[in-house]
Amino acid sequence: DAMVIQNPRYQVTQFGKPVTLSCSQTLNHNVMYWYQQKSSQAPKLLFHYYDKDFNNEADTPDNFQSRRPNTSFCFLDIRSPGLGDAAMYLCATQGARTGVPNEQFFGPGTRLTVL
Amino acid sequence: QQQVKQSPQSLIVQKGGISIINCAYENTAFDYFPWYQQFPGKGPALLIAIRPDVSEKKEGRFTISFNKSAKQFSLHIMDSQPGDSATYFCAASISFGNEKLTFGTGTRLTIIP
Repeated sequence: DAMVIQNPRYQVTQFGKPVTLSCSQTLNHNVMYWYQQKSSQAPKLLFHYYDKDFNNEADTPDNFQSRRPNTSFCFLDIRSPGLGDAAMYLCATQGARTGVPNEQFFGPGTRLTVL
Repeated sequence: QQQVKQSPQSLIVQKGGISIINCAYENTAFDYFPWYQQFPGKGPALLIAIRPDVSEKKEGRFTISFNKSAKQFSLHIMDSQPGDSATYFCAASISFGNEKLTFGTGTRLTIIP
């Protein structure tokens, strides 16, 4: 029944060791978002894909990259995680051409710990 | 101009009481105003949303009141229950062009027995 799936739910990495987080969706939505959420803060948009078009937020560090090989999957790569990158990473989808165009559906998140 | 201001930062309400969270925006191009509920360790879940062509929307115990002229909207939780204890985020976006959500800063709601 899960619509937006994130793996793993918990990820522990070492300072500077690359890590990849994954998101998949069964909604066939054309828009996918990656957010970073730190404790007691609102989600912060990192980037999003509108179909295959990649849109980076101006203040997203170069350390963060993303790939979307097909409609269903999207990956977040953190090339050299720092202690400040420890956070919850949220994936969200949106069917910009179907249903309620603005409605975003969030996954359960991946909690990243950097040692 | 893209900000959405949310208050209060935290709120404690007795069981059975009314919880009220307020948001204000500046950008008059916003035309979709959702509220998200987030439990610890979980992703945000859409609770209720409104468009500016109506002044109120009710779903069960949850009501959004919308004041277009004042550029304010609020969430009312009637008969608040301990299970409503969570963080609530208001947000705003623009349809058909830039649907990115602009979030408020969040309100941590605690319902006490």
